[in-house]
Amino acid sequence: GAVVSQHPSWVICKSGTSVKIECRSLDFQATTMFWYRQFPKQSLMLMATSNEGSKATYEQGVEKDKFLINHASLTLSTLTVTSAHPEDSSFYICSARGPGTTYEQYFGPGTRLTVT
Amino acid sequence: QQPVQSPQAVILREGEDAVINCSSSKALYSVHWYRQKHGEAPVFLMILLKGGEQKGHEKISASFNEKKQQSSLYLTASQLSYSGTYFCGTEKTSYDKVIFGPGTSLSVIP
Repeated sequence: GAVVSQHPSWVICKSGTSVKIECRSLDFQATTMFWYRQFPKQSLMLMATSNEGSKATYEQGVEKDKFLINHASLTLSTLTVTSAHPEDSSFYICSARGPGTTYEQYFGPGTRLTVT
Repeated sequence: QQPVQSPQAVILREGEDAVINCSSSKALYSVHWYRQKHGEAPVFLMILLKGGEQKGHEKISASFNEKKQQSSLYLTASQLSYSGTYFCGTEKTSYDKVIFGPGTSLSVIP
């Protein structure tokens, strides 16, 4: 089946530093990946749509300069949280649309970010 | 626009049935259903496309009424492993972004 990995699975960083999260499709090529943010007991909030070789499309209210997304290859998208603050602490999950013409999305295991 | 889900939470005893509803005020192309267990990523259950289809596997099935912009997820003879939060996600067009509902917490007890 389609497998998506994320790295790291958890990270603790100090306020003001930047953190990079990687999302990889392991056994298929993903031209489109999605980045979500999830607070405890809440829904998945779409942050941006990442397209290989082009700029990401951000959802309204998401700061482009704070959450940098790069989709450099068909198997890798990265999310960099710049100048992180405690309010950025959250569960970040990426997903990739399945191989071929399938519609379903396959989610990575998520990254728990804690900013101290 | 985020779809609406009901109920917000439900508690079942093993073997009981449950229905989770998802509705949107916008015309939909597809409805996705996912289940998420605590601390884990969502797992794909099924997708229903425009055309009013129904799908199912084993004891979990779903329907999609595109005219009413509603979908329902049916869980029959629930098992302990069914516990988790169920999210519906909707697309307005083909290969569009998926917007998820607020989730329905389902707990199955012995």
